[in-house]
Amino acid sequence: AQTVTQSQPEMSVQEAETVTLSCTYDTSESNYYLFWYKQPPSRQMILVIRQEAYKQQNATENRFSVNFQKAAKSFSLKISDSQLGDTAMYFCAFMEYGNKLVFGAGTILRVKS
Amino acid sequence: DTGVSQDPRHKITKRGQNVTFRCDPISEHNRLYWYRQTLGQGPEFLTYFQNEAQLEKSRLLSDRFSAERPKGSFSTLEIQRTEQGDSAMYLCASSLYGTSPSSYNEQFFGPGTRLTVL
Repeated sequence: AQTVTQSQPEMSVQEAETVTLSCTYDTSESNYYLFWYKQPPSRQMILVIRQEAYKQQNATENRFSVNFQKAAKSFSLKISDSQLGDTAMYFCAFMEYGNKLVFGAGTILRVKS
Repeated sequence: DTGVSQDPRHKITKRGQNVTFRCDPISEHNRLYWYRQTLGQGPEFLTYFQNEAQLEKSRLLSDRFSAERPKGSFSTLEIQRTEQGDSAMYLCASSLYGTSPSSYNEQFFGPGTRLTVL
């Protein structure tokens, strides 16, 4: 069974600074997707960024980028120019093609002014 | 398109009572997923449907839990004889699953139903 591990329960960062959230996963599959989801306090889960395992190029979405190391089964999220609105719980998630999501336990990120 | 909606948003019940939650997916989406999220944890998969067919159920889904999607549109999740351990956020997500084995299956989440069992 696939597992996803987020080893940082909480992180904090100053506004405008850069922060990196860590994620490792375990799978025997060769084709899959990885995701970072954001869950603001009392608000619904939204997709931040996704990475297809067959693509070597790291995904980027504006201030969000990933460092995908397939051999190491590592998938970290870098948030540049952190904003107060980035304060949320961040979940790393794994998905085989067309299948259910397997989530990590989450990292609470607090952006301080 | 108003996104995935769930009703009710909050439910407080006494132990032993039955509860039912509803999820309305994005209209053209053929897949619908149920997840459970306990405080401070990531969501855990419960079950999912493609159209009206229930394709997979987690071992977390005990026989007190039942889910339906009778017409391939909205879905209901019923918990019978609720226990305090059922207290959690119940999340619904929907996606448009294609015919290609490699089709991307982005799941869009609803706001969740928070269940408190006293």
